Amino acid sequence: KQEVTQIPAALSVPEGENLVLNCSFTDSAIYNLQWFRQDPGKGLTSLLLIQSSQREQTSGRLNASLDKSSGRSTLYIAASQPGDSATYLCAVREGTDKLIFGTGTRLQVFP
Amino acid sequence: DAGITQSPRHKVTETGTPVTLRCHQTENHRYMYWYRQDPGHGLRLIHYSYGVKDTDKGEVSDGYSVSRSKTEDFLLTLESATSSQTSVYFCAISSLGQPQHFGDGTRLSIL
Repeated sequence: KQEVTQIPAALSVPEGENLVLNCSFTDSAIYNLQWFRQDPGKGLTSLLLIQSSQREQTSGRLNASLDKSSGRSTLYIAASQPGDSATYLCAVREGTDKLIFGTGTRLQVFP
Repeated sequence: DAGITQSPRHKVTETGTPVTLRCHQTENHRYMYWYRQDPGHGLRLIHYSYGVKDTDKGEVSDGYSVSRSKTEDFLLTLESATSSQTSVYFCAISSLGQPQHFGDGTRLSIL
């Protein structure tokens, strides 16, 4: 059974720092991996999707990498801002388009 | 967000009553999903649909049923609500291999 783990569970940093959030999964037979952001009381916003054949994806200050063989993905946030404060979730897609989620990293960026 | 509307947004009901949550999309996506989100468990898939009248069970389907009679609507029913079904419920939509997009959620409390 696929298990997805995110470390750390919570992170508090000053504005301007570069951050790395980690996601690991136990079964490397995935179709893709998706990173989401969730603000309190809100739904999930898709940030990046990496196909299993890809190594990384970039969007603005965000960069996500995927090492399928080792079962790991990282989300890199450059020059963090208070507006980046949220919970970040990773999810792996298995057959028939089902997603298996990690429990998230709660990020706080203070001025 | 991405043409997804969940209703109601909040509901309080009593144990033993039936409850139906609705997810409506305007994107004409083939896949629709129901998740629940609970502290310490993250998001878990309840049921999903891969077309009109085509549905399948997810990880935590016991006590829930779904129906999809047309492309745009996916209903989640709790036949006889229990306190363990108190949760935040999210609907998501996608096309095959594409990112899943989420609604804003329904906060359900069962007393």
